[in-house]
Amino acid sequence: GAVVSQHPSWVICKSGTSVKIECRSLDFQATTMFWYRQFPKQSLMLMATSNEGSKATYEQGVEKDKFLINHASLTLSTLTVTSAHPEDSSFYICSARQGMSLRGYTFGSGTRLTVV
Amino acid sequence: AQSVTQLGSHVSVSEGALVLLRCNYSSSVPPYLFWYVQYPNQGLQLLLKYTSAATLVKGINGFEAEFKKSETSFHLTKPSAHMSDAAEYFCAVGGQFYFGTGTSLTVIP
Repeated sequence: GAVVSQHPSWVICKSGTSVKIECRSLDFQATTMFWYRQFPKQSLMLMATSNEGSKATYEQGVEKDKFLINHASLTLSTLTVTSAHPEDSSFYICSARQGMSLRGYTFGSGTRLTVV
Repeated sequence: AQSVTQLGSHVSVSEGALVLLRCNYSSSVPPYLFWYVQYPNQGLQLLLKYTSAATLVKGINGFEAEFKKSETSFHLTKPSAHMSDAAEYFCAVGGQFYFGTGTSLTVIP
């Protein structure tokens, strides 16, 4: 089956630094990838939709300059949290869609970001 | 616009009892609907999905859900709860996956 690898699983960084999270589709080409943020005990909030080779589409209220998304290939999307602050601490999850089928969504295992 | 509403943020059942987790959707087009399970500090695992075929969808781990257009519902059920079913459950509507607020399931021994 389709597998999405997300790395790292855990990351701790200092305030003011930047952190990059990778999302890879291991055995399929992902034309579209999605990035979500999840606060403790809460649901997943869609942050942005990333299409290979084009600019990401951000949801309302998500800072584009804060959360940089790059989808340079059909198997890799990255989320960079720039100038991280403690309030950016959260659980970030990516998902990838295989082709245009709405049936083919696969989620990564998530990244726990802690900013100290 | 598409959205889902999960009624009940916490559900407790006894081991062996019926599990019922509620999800109602709103969609201007025929929806694709999904149920996911999330264990602590992990990603999401797909339980089942409705993609306009059979209205009764069977998923993994004994879960199933029935799509009822007249009620705009897609409730998740399992006849007999196991301790291992304790987790967070999310209903979602596709294409961009708008998630419900989640239901935390506790199984009482």
